[in-house]
Amino acid sequence: GDSVTQMEGPVTLSEEAFLTINCTYTATGYPSLFWYVQYPGEGLQLLLKATKADDKGSNKGFEATYRKETTSFHLEKGSVQVSDSAVYFCALLSGGSNYKLTFGKGTLLTVNP
Amino acid sequence: NAGVTQTPKFRILKIGQSMTLQCAQDMNHNYMYWYRQDPGMGLKLIYYSVGAGITDKGEVPNGYNVSRSTTEDFPLRLELAAPSQTSVYFCASSYSGQGTDEQFFGPGTRLTVL
Repeated sequence: GDSVTQMEGPVTLSEEAFLTINCTYTATGYPSLFWYVQYPGEGLQLLLKATKADDKGSNKGFEATYRKETTSFHLEKGSVQVSDSAVYFCALLSGGSNYKLTFGKGTLLTVNP
Repeated sequence: NAGVTQTPKFRILKIGQSMTLQCAQDMNHNYMYWYRQDPGMGLKLIYYSVGAGITDKGEVPNGYNVSRSTTEDFPLRLELAAPSQTSVYFCASSYSGQGTDEQFFGPGTRLTVL
């Protein structure tokens, strides 16, 4: 079945540091890939997405590229801010899964000033 | 637009009690979903609906029931609550089930069963 494996946390960085959170997946067919962010005490929000191979999703300075050959969708940001502190979830949606999003376990990011 | 709303925000139940978690959306979305989030884990799909009157099981449906009598509302019913149902519950909605459509999430209900 479908699965998502993402980098274990927690990740602690200083402000303006470079961020990478690794995400790899297993899926049938050609899934759509997503990064969701969950700020403390809130629900999940879509951060970015990519729906086909080689697409790059971007939002708020975050980027991720859909790499079919390595089945990866790593999240990157060049310079993190304290306000980026949150839990980040990688997820996939494949047509054969009855519209079900499959999530990774989440990575807690803490950015210190 | 309020988006996706959930009530209550918090609830403590005793083993064997029942309750209904409410979820409503005002975006005229066809698809609605219930997920649970356990500590250190990603979200798992409990039930979903592709339109009023149509529901189907997700990955972890045991111990739960749903109904969808209107486009706006998608309540989740817990019968005979058990400690294993202690979790944070999220409702979500989307216009369609396609990968191009974003799922919008509510703020969650934190449930503790003692």
